[in-house]
Amino acid sequence: AQSVTQPDIHITVSEGASLELRCNYSYGATPYLFWYVQSPGQGLQLLLKYFSGDTLVQGIKGFEAEFKRSQSSFNLRKPSVHWSDAAEYFCAVGRFMDSSYKLIFGSGTRLLVRP
Amino acid sequence: DTGVSQDPRHKITKRGQNVTFRCDPISEHNRLYWYRQTLGQGPEFLTYFQNEAQLEKSRLLSDRFSAERPKGSFSTLEIQRTEQGDSAMYLCASSLPGWQDNTGELFFGEGSRLTVL
Repeated sequence: AQSVTQPDIHITVSEGASLELRCNYSYGATPYLFWYVQSPGQGLQLLLKYFSGDTLVQGIKGFEAEFKRSQSSFNLRKPSVHWSDAAEYFCAVGRFMDSSYKLIFGSGTRLLVRP
Repeated sequence: DTGVSQDPRHKITKRGQNVTFRCDPISEHNRLYWYRQTLGQGPEFLTYFQNEAQLEKSRLLSDRFSAERPKGSFSTLEIQRTEQGDSAMYLCASSLPGWQDNTGELFFGEGSRLTVL
């Protein structure tokens, strides 16, 4: 069965420091991979996506992620974190089955930013 | 604003009452999804429509839950005889038709938060 694992429930970084959020997936075929961000009480906003091509993808707000097939990983990175980046981050994999398609989400990583 | 719209944003109800949520997707999107999100968890898939056809339902969607998309545009999610365990954020999402240009992105609304007392 397809699944997404985000091993870190919480991560705290200082403002200006670099960030890496981990994501591992289980999927038989070449996956569609996504990172979404959610601020408290809000819906999900897409940060970036990977479906083919260059394994390093750039997203909004200065985020990037790298697809590593050998490690089944799609880690999210940012070189310098801003206080406004504090939020919950979700990794997701797109699953195709018959005529259906859906996203399967990880349990999320809450990012706290120290001033 | 042409994003996904959900109504109401917040609903407080007593156990045993029925509630209904509405979702208006982005106008050219023919796929519509409902997800449920509880505190500290990622969104969990509930059901999926392509146009008016409900193509997949999760085991999470018990007999008390029903979703419709009668004309292939807006959708409703009804919960009958609510229980405290139904308290959650109910998220609606939509996506483009076809696969050539569709990289599988779902566009989410801001959600409808349900509190069952």
